[in-house]
Amino acid sequence: GAVVSQHPSWVICKSGTSVKIECRSLDFQATTMFWYRQFPKQSLMLMATSNEGSKATYEQGVEKDKFLINHASLTLSTLTVTSAHPEDSSFYICSAQEAGLNTGELFFGEGSRLTVL
Amino acid sequence: AQSVTQPDIHITVSEGASLELRCNYSYGATPYLFWYVQSPGQGLQLLLKYFSGDTLVQGIKGFEAEFKRSQSSFNLRKPSVHWSDAAEYFCAVGEPGGGFKTIFGAGTRLFVKA
Repeated sequence: GAVVSQHPSWVICKSGTSVKIECRSLDFQATTMFWYRQFPKQSLMLMATSNEGSKATYEQGVEKDKFLINHASLTLSTLTVTSAHPEDSSFYICSAQEAGLNTGELFFGEGSRLTVL
Repeated sequence: AQSVTQPDIHITVSEGASLELRCNYSYGATPYLFWYVQSPGQGLQLLLKYFSGDTLVQGIKGFEAEFKRSQSSFNLRKPSVHWSDAAEYFCAVGEPGGGFKTIFGAGTRLFVKA
């Protein structure tokens, strides 16, 4: 089946630094990827839709300058948390749709847990 | 705007008992509906999906769900729960076309007692 890999799985950083999280589709091409944020014991909150070769579409209330998304190829999207602060600590999950398939099924990465000290 | 409601925050069932997790949605047209399962600290895995056709859909791990348009519901069921089914379950609505934005319900945590 389609595999999506996220890296890193865990990251701890100091307040004020920037952190980059990668999301890769390993065995398929993904024109669209989604980034979600999940707080403990809560649901997934859609942050943005990442489209290959174009600017990401951010959901209302998500700071685009804070959460930079780049989708430079059909197999890679990156989320950069800039000038991270403790309130940015969360579980970030990416998902991807296989290009050319209009099934709506999302393939999820394993998630990346960010802790900002 | 589309929305998904999972009224039960958590449910506890005995191993071997039947299970039903509730999901109600709000969407202007015929939705694409999904159930995903998440184990602690991990990503999500698709259990089943409904796009059209037969309103009773079968999924992996013995799960099934029934789409009821009149009730705007898509409840997940399993006739006999196993201890390994303990996890968080999310119902989701997908918006066809234009990138297929997917919105998730709040989730229902399933506890299985021996």
